[in-house]
Amino acid sequence: AQSVTQLDSQVPVFEEAPVELRCNYSSSVSVYLFWYVQYPNQGLQLLLKYLSGSTLVKGINGFEAEFNKSQTSFHLRKPSVHISDTAEYFCAVSKMDSSYKLIFGSGTRLLVRP
Amino acid sequence: DAGVIQSPRHEVTEMGQEVTLRCKPISGHNSLFWYRQTMMRGLELLIYFNNNVPIDDSGMPEDRFSAKMPNASFSTLKIQPSEPRDSAVYFCASSSTANTEAFFGQGTRLTVV
Repeated sequence: AQSVTQLDSQVPVFEEAPVELRCNYSSSVSVYLFWYVQYPNQGLQLLLKYLSGSTLVKGINGFEAEFNKSQTSFHLRKPSVHISDTAEYFCAVSKMDSSYKLIFGSGTRLLVRP
Repeated sequence: DAGVIQSPRHEVTEMGQEVTLRCKPISGHNSLFWYRQTMMRGLELLIYFNNNVPIDDSGMPEDRFSAKMPNASFSTLKIQPSEPRDSAVYFCASSSTANTEAFFGQGTRLTVV
């Protein structure tokens, strides 16, 4: 079975500051890794994904994440945040099959202050 | 493509009533998922269909919940009878091997009073 841990339920940060949202996973098999963003009253939108290859993955809106197999982590980073980045961020894993059935972490609310 | 389409966006119903949530996946996608989002439990996978066949329904909370996918372009999630603790946002998502990701609908916010 797979599980995902997002230790930070909320991360407050000032506009234009860097941010890192942490994600750790547990799995007995190899997995794909994803970050999704949810804006208020909206569905989930994919930010980025790691399937294979380079461990540094770049996504939309200036976000990037690094896969670290030894630490079973997939932390999300952005060098300079905007007010519009205020949202809920979810880390997720799926087994390496064709289903893309996702197991989600509990989410981290990013609150960007002016 | 219009994306994954869910209806209704909001539903308020009385305890004991039957509720049906609807989903139209993206054309050409062969996997469909129903998720439930609550403050207490986060995002939980309820059921997963592949090629219209239920593959994994281990997340369905109890017999009051049922899901169907009569064809590749339509799925329903039914709760009968509904209870206040079923209040949540229900998301439908679809995927295909070619896209390597799941696409989510806007969700249905269900309130059972």
